[in-house]
Amino acid sequence: ETGVTQTPRHLVMGMTNKKSLKCEQHLGHNAMYWYKQSAKKPLELMFVYSLEERVENNSVPSRFSPECPNSSHLFLHLHTLQPEDSALYLCASSQVVTTGGYSNQPQHFGDGTRLSIL
Amino acid sequence: RKEVEQDPGPFNVPEGATVAFNCTYSNSASQSFFWYRQDCRKEPKLLMSVYSSGNEDGRFTAQLNRASQYISLLIRDSKLSDSATYLCVVNWGVNTGFQKLVFGTGTRLLVSP
Repeated sequence: ETGVTQTPRHLVMGMTNKKSLKCEQHLGHNAMYWYKQSAKKPLELMFVYSLEERVENNSVPSRFSPECPNSSHLFLHLHTLQPEDSALYLCASSQVVTTGGYSNQPQHFGDGTRLSIL
Repeated sequence: RKEVEQDPGPFNVPEGATVAFNCTYSNSASQSFFWYRQDCRKEPKLLMSVYSSGNEDGRFTAQLNRASQYISLLIRDSKLSDSATYLCVVNWGVNTGFQKLVFGTGTRLLVSP
């Protein structure tokens, strides 16, 4: 049983549609992450929110728009996606080391949303 | 050079065998390291953190060699349930407080009866 919940589990959409992926964490963490996992490729970090502020945007196209309204919720808004955007989108959370330094706290992942673009 | 490099496998081993996976990473400033396990069409789950002095958790032993930028995972007495993809993960974030994890492509393990 995961402390990070993602919805929907599966999503099929056309290239002109607008949809949103939702992530909720119940672990009391203060950092949340979006990753993309394409077939035969390693997980790629997309965005990081730390203490509700976006601190990392890993050169992600603007057709992906993240939103973090509070420390427990994270959204990924999708619009005019391309077929190559079909992938598994994973959300994760962790506890930030608020005094800086490096963090060895593990990330906890949700089950992911499997996205297919027609 | 890939940021985190692993042999993709698959490693096919019989039950009870000992198997070792290796991983190299390119960022010498990295400070924290992990092994995650991912089952087919599932999310990654933390298997164990990797500490400088090496650490063991039951049948699993992880080693880190900072000078060579090399991480290993040893699985003893393999079980059928160990069949999965093992992801080598390095935290690229230094002095950021949050993690910037970089994943290898994973090494696939198949344990047969």
